[in-house]
Amino acid sequence: EPEVTQTPSHQVTQMGQEVILRCVPISNHLYFYWYRQILGQKVEFLVSFYNNEISEKSEIFDDQFSVERPDGSNFTLKIRSTKLEDSAMYFCASRTQGAKTQYFGPGTRLLVL
Amino acid sequence: AQSVTQPDIHITVSEGASLELRCNYSYGATPYLFWYVQSPGQGLQLLLKYFSGDTLVQGIKGFEAEFKRSQSSFNLRKPSVHWSDAAEYFCAVGARQAGTALIFGKGTTLSVSS
Repeated sequence: EPEVTQTPSHQVTQMGQEVILRCVPISNHLYFYWYRQILGQKVEFLVSFYNNEISEKSEIFDDQFSVERPDGSNFTLKIRSTKLEDSAMYFCASRTQGAKTQYFGPGTRLLVL
Repeated sequence: AQSVTQPDIHITVSEGASLELRCNYSYGATPYLFWYVQSPGQGLQLLLKYFSGDTLVQGIKGFEAEFKRSQSSFNLRKPSVHWSDAAEYFCAVGARQAGTALIFGKGTTLSVSS
């Protein structure tokens, strides 16, 4: 069964450094999402992406964040200058055209020191 | 404001006992409803979903959930819990416009005792 994959599974970085989190959505999916889950808190929406454009973003998704689909398979989340409070599990999700269900990847645990 | 409430942070159930995890939502209209499960170190796996029709929906691993519009609830149930069901369970809602962001509850951690 096709799955959303994410790399790396864990990343440790220093405050102020740039990080890029990578996702490979399910191959025929066209809509892509990033969510995050700070330890002990709820999963929160960050951004959705379709047709090479951001469709929707939350107030969390400020100028420090950007998303890109650099090729036909990858979908990335970049944090330009990480802060301690960016430490979280980041989930990528995808869905097909017209579908209601989003399928999630295993997540990347980011720790900012 | 749109929100999802899972009132139980942590539940412990004996193996073989029945389980009910509560979920209430506050939304402008009837949303799409989902339950996801997250095992330790794993991602979010879809257990079941409700879009329309029969208000009792069946999911994977023997789980079911019942949508009650009058109570704005979507409680998850399982008649007999297995030790492997120990995980964190998230209720989520989404707008009927396909593709909008999901709103998640804070999750309920299920422990299973032998």
